[in-house]
Amino acid sequence: EVQLMESGGGSAQAGGSLTLSCLASGFTLSIYSMGWVRQAPGKGLEWLAYIGSGGIRYYADSVKGRFSVSRNDPQNSIYLQISGLRDEDTAVYYCVRDPVLSGLDSWGQGTLVTVSS
Amino acid sequence: AIQMTQSPSSLSADVGDRVTITCRASQAISNNFAWFQQQPGKAPKLLIHSGSTLQSGVPPRFSGSGFGTDFALTITGLHPEDSATYYCLQKFSFPYTFGQGTRLEI
Repeated sequence: EVQLMESGGGSAQAGGSLTLSCLASGFTLSIYSMGWVRQAPGKGLEWLAYIGSGGIRYYADSVKGRFSVSRNDPQNSIYLQISGLRDEDTAVYYCVRDPVLSGLDSWGQGTLVTVSS
Repeated sequence: AIQMTQSPSSLSADVGDRVTITCRASQAISNNFAWFQQQPGKAPKLLIHSGSTLQSGVPPRFSGSGFGTDFALTITGLHPEDSATYYCLQKFSFPYTFGQGTRLEI
């Protein structure tokens, strides 16, 4: 069974940094593209970042320069580093699997990040 | 970035009804398009990908159509558990973009 489990969320100060982790199981991480999506309280879904199986990366314009996605396939993990935290980064952050010829077919349960100023 | 305009923003229907939600892309995206369902307090779930391909395990009352710029999600024979928010997503080019969501109340 495919499972994605995010961790690393919590309360953080505006201007600070945070690293979210996603532990993947039930599939071979190294052959899949992965990504991150967030949802602010009461709002819709916002796509944030993509990392291909070969390491190529793409970001939403709104987070480019502050967010960095990375992966460690031997440890079955992907990461999202967030710097310069802002109030508007308060959201549930989801790790997603992103197969080439499909949608975002697997989602973690999400991890909540709350930014206070 | 490609804009995805989803409509309606909300709708109410009864058990057994047929409903259609639409999504329009600001430029042609072939069939690089997906629909998701999000029930309250849960992570989104993929329903349809590649415009019209039903994701494994999704009931056949859900169907998707469209190509290019205009897409639709149709639910035929609503069940109470279909009460949720539905989102569209374009995967044609980066950055990916979601529609703003449609809240369906049964």
